[in-house]
Amino acid sequence: SAVISQKPSRDICQRGTSLTIQCQVDSQVTMMFWYRQQPGQSLTLIATANQGSEATYESGFVIDKFPISRPNLTFSTLTVSNMSPEDSSIYLCSGGQGAFSTDTQYFGPGTRLTVL
Amino acid sequence: GNSVTQMEGPVTLSEEAFLTINCTYTATGYPSLFWYVQYPGEGLQLLLKATKADDKGSNKGFEATYRKETTSFHLEKGSVQVSDSAVYFCALPNQAGTALIFGKGTTLSVSS
Repeated sequence: SAVISQKPSRDICQRGTSLTIQCQVDSQVTMMFWYRQQPGQSLTLIATANQGSEATYESGFVIDKFPISRPNLTFSTLTVSNMSPEDSSIYLCSGGQGAFSTDTQYFGPGTRLTVL
Repeated sequence: GNSVTQMEGPVTLSEEAFLTINCTYTATGYPSLFWYVQYPGEGLQLLLKATKADDKGSNKGFEATYRKETTSFHLEKGSVQVSDSAVYFCALPNQAGTALIFGKGTTLSVSS
């Protein structure tokens, strides 16, 4: 198993600013992901964080808005850039050991972001 | 591509009542199926999973059976507790097997 921590746990930000969220895993994981959970909604995958290379973004998400870094197998960051109130969500980091045909994905506690 | 449809809530039950939360899926092949739970103010936790047809996943008194005939993975518990109040998500891998697709979530409220 893996234990995932995120910082900050919550933040209130002003429109037009940027916030970087950190995700730390207590063991090496092959895959790391960033999800968004808008109020009352399910999780939507933003991107796959790839070690040492550019993240792979899902449709509707772009690198300029959500730059992601993954310098090693246990750490990743997500930046929410030029924020607007529509970015108010919970952002979740997750990690797993392999292909998800069979493997479990572990989640961090989330970062609750409010944009004013 | 793969998809999952989950019974929408909220579901409100009294303590010790029987719980069923329906989940059906569409998928290529027979991927693993998962139930995740999100307690108030916390992140998602894996509740149970099944990796092949007819498998039964179980944990904390919850069960779900992978039924390929009906493409379902319904979550059940014989006697719910107040502490089971949470949001429950059914999930399966995307077609590439690289990430999870989640249902919309079902909110369960259990009162004493």
